[in-house]
Amino acid sequence: AQKITQTQPGMFVQEKEAVTLDCTYDTSDPSYGLFWYKQPSSGEMIFLIYQGSYDQQNATEGRYSLNFQKARKSANLVISASQLGDSAMYFCAMREGPRGNTPLVFGKGTRLSVIA
Amino acid sequence: DTAVSQTPKYLVTQMGNDKSIKCEQNLGHDTMYWYKQDSKKFLKIMFSYNNKELIINETVPNRFSPKSPDKAHLNLHINSLELGDSAVYFCASSQDGYRDRSNNEQFFGPGTRLTVL
Repeated sequence: AQKITQTQPGMFVQEKEAVTLDCTYDTSDPSYGLFWYKQPSSGEMIFLIYQGSYDQQNATEGRYSLNFQKARKSANLVISASQLGDSAMYFCAMREGPRGNTPLVFGKGTRLSVIA
Repeated sequence: DTAVSQTPKYLVTQMGNDKSIKCEQNLGHDTMYWYKQDSKKFLKIMFSYNNKELIINETVPNRFSPKSPDKAHLNLHINSLELGDSAVYFCASSQDGYRDRSNNEQFFGPGTRLTVL
C-alpha cells in the first residue's frame, strides 16, 4: 500500500486565489512527521512546511498552511494568494518514527499551474 | 553559503562506464541520504548514512556503492552504467534528534541529472 497518496496529478489556480493540494498518508507509527516540498522547473527541492504528529496546531509558514486532520490521515497544503512563481511540482512526504534520521517517503506529486 | 552541494550538476555518459557523484554538507548534520528521482518525478530513497555508517540500503543494484569518508561527505559511485540509471540523483542531510522541529527538516542538494546514452 502507498504510504503517501497525492490524488491530484495536476491543478490549476488563478493568480491571487487560494489552492489546496491534497495528501493522505498511511502509517501505524504514532510518531511521524509530514513535509511539503516544492520543486520548480529549475529542479531544486525547496522545503515549505512541516507538521509533527503530536503537534496540536496546524503548521503555518507565510502563505503556506497545513490542514492536518489526524483521524482522517490527511495533511493538505493550502497556498493562499497564489503567485505565478508558485507554479511547480509539490511533494508531500512522511518520516515515520520519532527520530530525525529516517528517510522521507514521498508521494507522486502534484503539478500546480498558476494562471494570470 | 551552500548548505548541501553536489557535483557535477549534469553528467552525460555512455552505457557501461563508471561514474561518481559527490555530495558535501556544511550543516553539521549527522545523517546523509541519496534519493533517486525518475523520469515520472517519483522520489525514492536509495541509501542513508548516519555518522559515516550505512543504516539504510534499499533494493538498489550493487552497481551502486555509496561511500562516506566523513560525516560531511557522502559520495555515490555507479559501476557499469545502464540506460535505466538515467535520473536525477539528490543528496540530502538531516540532524538526528527526537521530535524537535529544528531537527526534522531534510535539506536537499541541487540534484545531479545523470543521462546514460
